[in-house]
Parts: sequence; structure tokens; C-alpha cells
Amino acid sequence: NAGVTQTPKFQVLKTGQSMTLQCAQDMNHEYMSWYRQDPGMGLRLIHYSVGAGITDQGEVPNGYNVSRSTTEDFPLRLLSAAPSQTSVYFCASSYGQGHFGTQYFGPGTRLLVL
Amino acid sequence: GQQVMQIPQYQHVQEGEDFTTYCNSSTTLSNIQWYKQRPGGHPVFLIQLVKSGEVKKQKRLTFQFGEAKKNSSLHITATQTTDVGTYFCAGTSSGNTPLVFGKGTRLSVIA
Repeated sequence: NAGVTQTPKFQVLKTGQSMTLQCAQDMNHEYMSWYRQDPGMGLRLIHYSVGAGITDQGEVPNGYNVSRSTTEDFPLRLLSAAPSQTSVYFCASSYGQGHFGTQYFGPGTRLLVL
Repeated sequence: GQQVMQIPQYQHVQEGEDFTTYCNSSTTLSNIQWYKQRPGGHPVFLIQLVKSGEVKKQKRLTFQFGEAKKNSSLHITATQTTDVGTYFCAGTSSGNTPLVFGKGTRLSVIA
């Protein structure tokens, strides 16, 4: 099993550009989440999904969209990138124990918005 | 909303010294999880505590969950250079409530 995979590893965007961060998992986990990590801020939840077709907002959802058409994939879309979205983005999947059992994290995407 | 506070933010220790990080929640937790993130890496699950007063050990790591289920600690005995990284706690008040992560304690070990 590859676990949780994320692409791209690194990305540089200009302000106003849009892009999609890809996340896939091959563990058949029901739950998937997107977090952003900024220095000194820990991990903050952006959006999460409890199954295909179901998504919900986390702590910092503004400027991001998600969809969950399959169990495996959970892409994160930046609609119009802003410098404040410069961050490291982690996708995670989990199963059982309610929505937020043990989180299995992907390797992350490092995003720089100029 | 629920807040999880973690202290200290940074800790520098000599190799062989002990290390402890503390986690406090503003609300009662149903469970607490601990993760380790190596520099440049992603968070990796270490352990989950569920019961009031629970203590679990993993080799040199000891995890505790407070009696009131509002605080937790991670203690590392005789640190090694391989312990370097940031340790996060994460708690939830119920299985349907999103995990809230602390800001982490960054541990550096001087050989």
C-alpha cells in the first residue's frame, strides 16, 4: 500500500492563480481531511469528508474548496491564491473511532504564493 | 470553541536528559492523540489515550491522560538524537468533533 499520497510536492503560484492539490489514499479509509501548517501555528483543519459525497468545513475554510467523488480521492482547490495561503498542506485519512480516529498523513505539499 | 494548548513551544536538551511536553484542553476530551513530526517530514501517529488517568509506555516514552481528561503529557527518558522533532497533541471532545491540534513542542537534542 502507498498509504496517503499528495501531489505536487512543491508549488509556486502568483497571486490570483488557481490550482488543485491532489490527495489519494489506498487504504479504503472513510474519513479524509486537509490541514495547513504554518510556523508556530500547529496544524489547522481546512475541510474534511466523512465519506464520498460528504464534506464539511474545518477551522480555516475560506479560500478553499473540496469535493469527494470517490473514497480514494480528496482534492483541495485554491480558487484565487493569496500570499496568506503560503503554507505546508497535509492531507490525512482515518477510519473508525468516529470521524477523527488515528490520522494517517501524506508527505505534504509546500506552497509559496508570490 | 475547543482549544488545545501545548507547552513549552521549544525545548533544547543535552543528549541523555529527560524531556516533557504538556497539553491542556479547554474542554473535556473523549480521547487524546500524540504525533511526532521529524524536520521536513509529516506528522506520524504515536499513541491514543482514552481512559481517565491512563498511562501508556513505548520504550523511553511515557504518555499520561489526566484524571479529568483535560490534560496530557509526554515524557521522554534519556533523550537521544533520534528524538529530535516536533511533538503534537491532538484532542477531540467526541468522535464526531474534529481533532484540534496543539501548536506543538519542538525538541532539539544536543549531542
